[in-house]
Amino acid sequence: NAGVTQTPKFQVLKTGQSMTLQCAQDMNHEYMSWYRQDPGMGLRLIHYSVGAGITDQGEVPNGYNVSRSTTEDFPLRLLSAAPSQTSVYFCASSYGVGDNSPLHFGNGTRLTVT
Amino acid sequence: AQSVTQLDSQVPVFEEAPVELRCNYSSSVSVYLFWYVQYPNQGLQLLLKYLSGSTLVKGINGFEAEFNKSQTSFHLRKPSVHISDTAEYFCAVSGGNYQLIWGAGTKLIIKP
Repeated sequence: NAGVTQTPKFQVLKTGQSMTLQCAQDMNHEYMSWYRQDPGMGLRLIHYSVGAGITDQGEVPNGYNVSRSTTEDFPLRLLSAAPSQTSVYFCASSYGVGDNSPLHFGNGTRLTVT
Repeated sequence: AQSVTQLDSQVPVFEEAPVELRCNYSSSVSVYLFWYVQYPNQGLQLLLKYLSGSTLVKGINGFEAEFNKSQTSFHLRKPSVHISDTAEYFCAVSGGNYQLIWGAGTKLIIKP
């Protein structure tokens, strides 16, 4: 059972470059989300989706785009990378879209922007 | 606005000793509460959750947590820790609108 798969595991970008972080889940989950994790700050929600074709902003959406064309995939795009986007990014999904559904996390993408 | 406070950024404890990781939240409405664990270089996984009912919740790996509504706390406990419990632990509360509010995390350091 693959669960939530994130690629790549590591990435180094130069300021101004763009890239897409991939996220796929094989559990038929409706809800998918992207978080960034920075030391001492816990997790902050970037964007989320409650189903194919539906996305919405989280706490820190600036500089990121998402789309959800299928139930399985939820890519995160960095439009023009900045050093402030250096972080560890996690994709997470859950079966339900209510507040009581536990999240299943990928293993993260460690991004460095120089 | 809702918030979650994990009172300790690090908790060192000797192997086989008991441990308590503290979590307080602020909310004026009923909430769902979660503890997640993150092992080194991995994503987070659910340890336990409180949705309703009994205030003592048991989770995986021998952990348990007690929901205290009057003190707005959800502290995590384990009677005897093992070296394999070395990880970072995150408390989270349902924030409504499909969002969780996360604490900053507590690193559990097990001393041999």
